Amino acid sequence: NAGVTQTPKFQVLKTGQSMTLQCAQDMNHNSMYWYRQDPGMGLRLIYYSASEGTTDKGEVPNGYNVSRLNKREFSLRLESAAPSQTSVYFCASLEGQPNTGELFFGEGSRLTVL
Amino acid sequence: EDQVTQSPEALRLQEGESSSLNCSYTVSGLRGLFWYRQDPGKGPEFLFTLYSAGEEKEKERLKATLTKKESFLHITAPKPEDSATYLCAVGPSGTYKYIFGTGTRLKVLA
Repeated sequence: NAGVTQTPKFQVLKTGQSMTLQCAQDMNHNSMYWYRQDPGMGLRLIYYSASEGTTDKGEVPNGYNVSRLNKREFSLRLESAAPSQTSVYFCASLEGQPNTGELFFGEGSRLTVL
Repeated sequence: EDQVTQSPEALRLQEGESSSLNCSYTVSGLRGLFWYRQDPGKGPEFLFTLYSAGEEKEKERLKATLTKKESFLHITAPKPEDSATYLCAVGPSGTYKYIFGTGTRLKVLA
């Protein structure tokens, strides 16, 4: 059972470079999320997609864009990476109803911006 | 503003030494309160959902309880394999968002 798959697992970028983090889920879930996790800050919501074709901003969306390519895939793009975007990024999908359902997380993508 | 605060930040226990982790929350219309476990280098893994004050749920050595202002994760006779970071989250009504606390890092010594 793959669950939620994130690629790449590790990435090092230079300031100003761009990249896309990929996320795919095989559980037929409607809603998907991107979080970042930083020491002492916990998990902070960047963007979410309630359903295919929709995306909405979370708590910390600046510097990021997202694409819900289809029901399975939800990508996160950094157009011009900054050192402040050094973090661990987690994708999640939701089983059940909003606010009461269970989030399934991927293993994370560890990004360093020099 | 919806907010989740967890305490303590870190906790070291001897094997078999029971304790509790705290999650305090302020939220506009709680739909659910969630506990997750996160091992180093891994994504969070779901443990429990609590829906209303007075509710309790158990899983092996863990028991989660909920009041109108806080939740507790009680760990009874912990083992070294219970060492992890435990995250609390809330789901405010009217949104798809889940708001997480900063977690409690638990270390159980053999």
